[in-house]
Amino acid sequence: EIVLTQSPATLSVSPGERATLSCRASQSFSRNLAWYQQKPGQGPRLLISATSTRATGIPARFSGSGSGTEFTLTINSLQSEDFALYYCQQYDDWPPTFGQGTKVEIK
Amino acid sequence: EVQLVESGGGLVQPGGSLRLSCATSGFTLSSKSMNWVRLAPGKGLEWVAYISRDSSTTFYADSVKGRFTISRDNAKNSLHLQMNSLRDEDTAVYYCAREGIAVSTFDSWGQGTLVTVS
Repeated sequence: EIVLTQSPATLSVSPGERATLSCRASQSFSRNLAWYQQKPGQGPRLLISATSTRATGIPARFSGSGSGTEFTLTINSLQSEDFALYYCQQYDDWPPTFGQGTKVEIK
Repeated sequence: EVQLVESGGGLVQPGGSLRLSCATSGFTLSSKSMNWVRLAPGKGLEWVAYISRDSSTTFYADSVKGRFTISRDNAKNSLHLQMNSLRDEDTAVYYCAREGIAVSTFDSWGQGTLVTVS
């Protein structure tokens, strides 16, 4: 199965700044990568699929990019509601697998 | 509004059984494949089980194969996970998750139900 490694584990960012989250795959694949946001006590929320396609209702400050084994989630101008846990997930191979998560915290 | 509400979690001894349920609303359950995904303490999310729209196809993670059974009742808008022979490592928050437009993505999730095996 494809192993996803997210870095950093914790990212400290000031409101209004940009956050860049990394997701590295153990083997190369096409664009079948998704990103999720999770807040305490809630289930994850789909942000992005197909590497860069925002889900319905997701603000434009969230963007995804990458290919091969390196993928990135960028959050521009961080808002208070963006401080949360973020997971990447590949669905190119079976079974679908997730990274360990990156926590974005207030600096 | 799509809603998924899990129930049935709790404390169970190793070797015991538990049945989780997920009540759905806001969409036609029969039109969507469904999944269970779990989050164990200190670990990342792990996909657990899949069931197709008409229940004809099911898949399981190797870690639960032979012990867990996923099922659904489209008429009652519900999804279930029967968990037998539970182990310490099954301790986790269990989420039901609706399959997204892209196969094997998850576009709606419940809030989760905690299963503790101890």
